[in-house]
Amino acid sequence: ILNVEQSPQSLHVQEGDSTNFTCSFPSSNFYALHWYRWETAKSPEALFVMTLNGDEKKKGRISATLNTKEGYSYLYIKGSQPEDSATYLCAFFSGNTGKLIFGQGTTLQVKP
Amino acid sequence: NAGVTQTPKFQVLKTGQSMTLQCAQDMNHNSMYWYRQDPGMGLRLIYYSASEGTTDKGEVPNGYNVSRLNKREFSLRLESAAPSQTSVYFCASSEFQAAFFGQGTRLTVV
Repeated sequence: ILNVEQSPQSLHVQEGDSTNFTCSFPSSNFYALHWYRWETAKSPEALFVMTLNGDEKKKGRISATLNTKEGYSYLYIKGSQPEDSATYLCAFFSGNTGKLIFGQGTTLQVKP
Repeated sequence: NAGVTQTPKFQVLKTGQSMTLQCAQDMNHNSMYWYRQDPGMGLRLIYYSASEGTTDKGEVPNGYNVSRLNKREFSLRLESAAPSQTSVYFCASSEFQAAFFGQGTRLTVV
């Protein structure tokens, strides 16, 4: 069983706060770790695909890091805005099976 | 660009009825997936197909069957629907990169 865990489950912050979430995943049979943003009533959309240990990726105010040896990834949002309110999902892509397994998600609410 | 197209968008079934959810992608991806989304549980993998001609069970396969009809199409069948299968279903495709998702099917079993 592939276990992908995200924490916290939900987060409420004020506009302008910086925040971060954690995703933990198996360290064996690793191929890639994905981050997705999922807005209510829409479909998930990819933010990052990370494959190398030590990878850091950035898109605007959002960035992510990857540690494949210890099996965790962090997603950071700098200066949160109300439009950042969404559920953030991580997903582990297994190299030996081709499965793409998602964590339960972190729901972020940014108050103006 | 159509991307991933799922049909239908909404469906209400009676317990015991059967139905097939259709999914097609036009990105020439090898891998296709079916997920269900339930409150507080993220996306759970039902079945996946790593390439045309192959299908494998995911985390929650019981009560479902799939067919990878060709490279473009991957269908999900409920043979005898149960209330526990009330959920939102998402199809996705990928090619060793980010997955692209359909718009979802909201299924209610009464």
